[in-house]
Amino acid sequence: AQSVSQHNHHVILSEAASLELGCNYSYGGTVNLFWYVQYPGQHLQLLLKYFSGDPLVKGIKGFEAEFIKSKFSFNLRKPSVQWSDTAEYFCAVNESRGGSYIPTFGRGTSLIVHP
Amino acid sequence: DTAVSQTPKYLVTQMGNDKSIKCEQNLGHDTMYWYKQDSKKFLKIMFSYNNKELIINETVPNRFSPKSPDKAHLNLHINSLELGDSAVYFCASSPGQGANTEAFFGQGTRLTVV
Repeated sequence: AQSVSQHNHHVILSEAASLELGCNYSYGGTVNLFWYVQYPGQHLQLLLKYFSGDPLVKGIKGFEAEFIKSKFSFNLRKPSVQWSDTAEYFCAVNESRGGSYIPTFGRGTSLIVHP
Repeated sequence: DTAVSQTPKYLVTQMGNDKSIKCEQNLGHDTMYWYKQDSKKFLKIMFSYNNKELIINETVPNRFSPKSPDKAHLNLHINSLELGDSAVYFCASSPGQGANTEAFFGQGTRLTVV
């Protein structure tokens, strides 16, 4: 089964600090990887996704992620965080099951940015 | 227009009651899901429907019964509510046919069982 794991469960940063959140995936075949963000009290929304092509993917709000096949990683980065980036961040993979694709999530990373 | 809408947003009820959560998507997607998010923010798939047909039932207790009257709606009925059912329930949809398609989520329903 395809799965993702996130090792940083809680991250606390000051504004303007750089951010890197780790995500590792388990499947060695073709992968489709996603980062979603959940702002406090809100629903999940897509930050960015990777399925082929340039391994450096740019998303919304200045986020980017790099797919490194040799490391089974898809880490999320942002050069300078803002207070408004405080949120839960979820790495996900679309797992093929029952003829359909099921978004399967890591345990999430809680990011708190102090002003 | 809200793409995936679920009601109610908050639900407080007593143990043993039966309650329903409704979900509708206006994106024309074929696949809909129910997820449970626990107090530690872990998102766990409960059910997946594709064109009104049940695809995934992730060992959810029989007290939970999803119903999809058409592919734009996926409602969740819960019988005999228990304290452990307290969580945020998210409905989502996706085109479902491509591995690289993302899911679109509703605002969530915070269920509190007292």
